[in-house]
Amino acid sequence: QVQLVESGGGVVQPGGSLRLACAASGFTFSSYGMHWVRQAPGKGLEWVAFIRYNGNNRYYADSVKGRFTISRDNSKNTLYLQMNSLRVDDTAVYYCAKETDATDVFDVWGQGTMVTVSS
Amino acid sequence: SYELTQPPSVSVSPGQTARIPCSGDALAKRHANWYQQKPGQAPVLVIYKDSERPSGIPERFSGSSSGTTVTLTISGVQAEDEADYYCQSADSSGSYHVIFGGGTKLTVL
Repeated sequence: QVQLVESGGGVVQPGGSLRLACAASGFTFSSYGMHWVRQAPGKGLEWVAFIRYNGNNRYYADSVKGRFTISRDNSKNTLYLQMNSLRVDDTAVYYCAKETDATDVFDVWGQGTMVTVSS
Repeated sequence: SYELTQPPSVSVSPGQTARIPCSGDALAKRHANWYQQKPGQAPVLVIYKDSERPSGIPERFSGSSSGTTVTLTISGVQAEDEADYYCQSADSSGSYHVIFGGGTKLTVL
């Protein structure tokens, strides 16, 4: 079945780095845009970044621009989020999400991976 | 800036109809989608393109749009519908970005 599985979360100090991965299965990964969305503890959903199906276009929320990099390896069916210069307010559950054929609609979500930025 | 505004909470009794509005200027030009999120779980798409229902979503979930407001309607609310609901849209007038509403906690009394 269609599935997204995130990994790579953990505890990191402010200023540190972390790389998240999202393994996709059950669909043609290379045909769909992919997003990262995060949710701070007790808070709402916040969009983080988007990458087109072929990796040619990438977009970021202002809150992470210049610090986070979204990428993908279509040969490995995997989405990545490289997070640098992490701040306490980056603490959140990070979800990867797949677009449908209609852009901006997220029909499949992973289970999320927790990132805690703390000294 | 592009914002989507939802009420923080809505309460209804079982069997009644719940309506959750989401407003924002850009909704006059862009479609909205709705997600249901239960505690400790990932969001689930329940309505897309204002009023389309994905397969597997019960018919009691519906969506509508009027001007700058979209509304998620849950008819005959059941206890299992208690959850947080988020509207979502996108904007590409500047640099592309996705926006979520602040979320509405639906309580089934």
